[in-house]
Amino acid sequence: SQQGEEDPQALSIQEGENATMNCSYKTSINNLQWYRQNSGRGLVHLILIRSNEREKHSGRLRVTLDTSKKSSSLLITASRAADTASYFCATDPGTGTASKLTFGTGTRLQVTL
Amino acid sequence: KAGVTQTPRYLIKTRGQQVTLSCSPISGHRSVSWYQQTPGQGLQFLFEYFSETQRNKGNFPGRFSGRQFSNSRSEMNVSTLELGDSALYLCASSLEGAVSGNTIYFGEGSWLTVV
Repeated sequence: SQQGEEDPQALSIQEGENATMNCSYKTSINNLQWYRQNSGRGLVHLILIRSNEREKHSGRLRVTLDTSKKSSSLLITASRAADTASYFCATDPGTGTASKLTFGTGTRLQVTL
Repeated sequence: KAGVTQTPRYLIKTRGQQVTLSCSPISGHRSVSWYQQTPGQGLQFLFEYFSETQRNKGNFPGRFSGRQFSNSRSEMNVSTLELGDSALYLCASSLEGAVSGNTIYFGEGSWLTVV
């Protein structure tokens, strides 16, 4: 079952604009990871943020984490057509020993020229 | 450094047959996990292997099985295929698994179509 949901389910923007995607999850976590998936391809790791971190940057990506609200956001600045893909957040189990990632439902991002 | 390699990339099988998918993790990684991705259910965890032992298992029927070899390469097998098994099967590799807070790297996946 999905850990949570991502919002919006789909997002269409023009090149150069910023894109913001949100992820909510249900249980406590140690880390949250964001992935990109191009159509029919595997998952590309974008960024990992730990539960004791509030914000992290990597190039044009900015991720925030609010553990009190059990939510995270991914901001892509100055978007490009090549950013067109689905984006997923994934959480680790937090407590316990179940060594698996639980994924959100994903946001489909379309960047047009 | 080579990434996670999955073979085959595409395959078509008939209902009732069995299939074996292969995954070579990143060198030095001991944890290999498998995920199933379908439009209806999204990304679902199948199982994880660590040092040749199955450490975790998702909620899938016994027709889904796997194993890991001493060189960390892993295979998953699906027996008595059903139409609903049509999916993208993704292999994930990490040093010690998600529970350790490692970055998890994925392969390109194996597209299975059951007809």
